[in-house]
Amino acid sequence: DSGVTQTPKHLITATGQRVTLRCSPRSGDLSVYWYQQSLDQGLQFLIQYYNGEERAKGNILERFSAQQFPDLHSELNLSSLELGDSALYFCASSVFWGLGGEQFFGPGTRLTVL
Amino acid sequence: DAKTTQPNSMESNEEEPVHLPCNHSTISGTDYIHWYRQLPSQGPEYVIHGLTSNVNNRMASLAIAEDRKSSTLILHRATLRDAAVYYCILRGGSSNTGKLIFGQGTTLQVKP
Repeated sequence: DSGVTQTPKHLITATGQRVTLRCSPRSGDLSVYWYQQSLDQGLQFLIQYYNGEERAKGNILERFSAQQFPDLHSELNLSSLELGDSALYFCASSVFWGLGGEQFFGPGTRLTVL
Repeated sequence: DAKTTQPNSMESNEEEPVHLPCNHSTISGTDYIHWYRQLPSQGPEYVIHGLTSNVNNRMASLAIAEDRKSSTLILHRATLRDAAVYYCILRGGSSNTGKLIFGQGTTLQVKP
């Protein structure tokens, strides 16, 4: 158990819909990262927040957005869903925003878009 | 971000040592070498990292070549639980973000 929690574990929805994935970092971790894992693209970094502020952006689509709240939990919002958005979405957390420290990954949310 | 090259797959027998290689010929002087692994149906987990010197922890050892253009993750006695995808990742020392850029990794199969 990494200490990072993600809800829900599974999500099945239809094309065109909007969903919200939630992540609670380890106690004391200020940085949250979102990653997407699909069969064809592998594990890809989406976005990072540190203490409520966006820190880095990766290959995140404009239809996707994220935020980190004052209690440090984070939400990833996916809208106008397409079949290709079906993937595992992982959240990770670390103490610092930069190089220092390992990242702890949650168990992931499996999104299926039908 | 500097690129790493790893074999797609490797096999090992249980209780034998495993050496997982990684090439990173374009590594810069401030890049750290990180290893993560992903067990089936789980999120990635940190294994080890280093800069220049060899490193040991309870999970594994990391041997870094003198020119830093390659490294090897060593599992001293593989167990069935070590079957996973192992990712070798470079993280810039001058970077202001801790994002991880994953490659394809090496799928390690451990035979009983």
